Amino acid sequence: GAGVSQSPSNKVTEKGKDVELRCDPISGHTALYWYRQSLGQGLEFLIYFQGNSAPDKSGLPSDRFSAERTGGSVSTLTIQRTQQEDSAVYLCASSLTGGVNSPLHFGNGTRLTVT
Amino acid sequence: DAKTTQPNSMESNEEEPVHLPCNHSTISGTDYIHWYRQLPSQGPEYVIHGLTSNVNNRMASLAIAEDRKSSTLILHRATLRDAAVYYCILRPLMNRDDKIIFGKGTRLHILP
Repeated sequence: GAGVSQSPSNKVTEKGKDVELRCDPISGHTALYWYRQSLGQGLEFLIYFQGNSAPDKSGLPSDRFSAERTGGSVSTLTIQRTQQEDSAVYLCASSLTGGVNSPLHFGNGTRLTVT
Repeated sequence: DAKTTQPNSMESNEEEPVHLPCNHSTISGTDYIHWYRQLPSQGPEYVIHGLTSNVNNRMASLAIAEDRKSSTLILHRATLRDAAVYYCILRPLMNRDDKIIFGKGTRLHILP
């Protein structure tokens, strides 16, 4: 079946511009996660959505970052006034229930380059 | 958050077994041990998880120490396709925010 889909796969933007990254989770998955991975580094947790509950935004690195999940499905991560340090691969994952026995399914990420 | 410690990198020969260690000395009684791996230019993929007993699936085996302070992911016969970064993470049974923390993992190199 279809996995987690992220778009665009690559994005090059100028410093100061806003960008939107999209994540289409697996149908029926209630939990959705965003991570960031800088070159050669591990995964940095950004935000987590579970059903209709308010998202845990504690991982967002600054107020330039925001995310929403419409209708409990598609999610958009928005970065305003991009900076060069925002360059990274942004990964989205979904999980059937978000519970401990429900594995995360990751997309292949959006590679963001800020020039 | 409970933490895990893994070697930065390991090497193994193709067609030989690989044992990837993970230390989690501060694990709590309800933390599950999960393993993921990340192939080049891809997102991480789930490998296996367990609580107390050893676990086997088509990809690998998970051996959990009796005191649960360490675990080992076992690839029974490594192939070149198994070259990846392997992450050992802990997931609490009851955690409202489910902030799943990935470390830097172990980069596994497979020698042909």
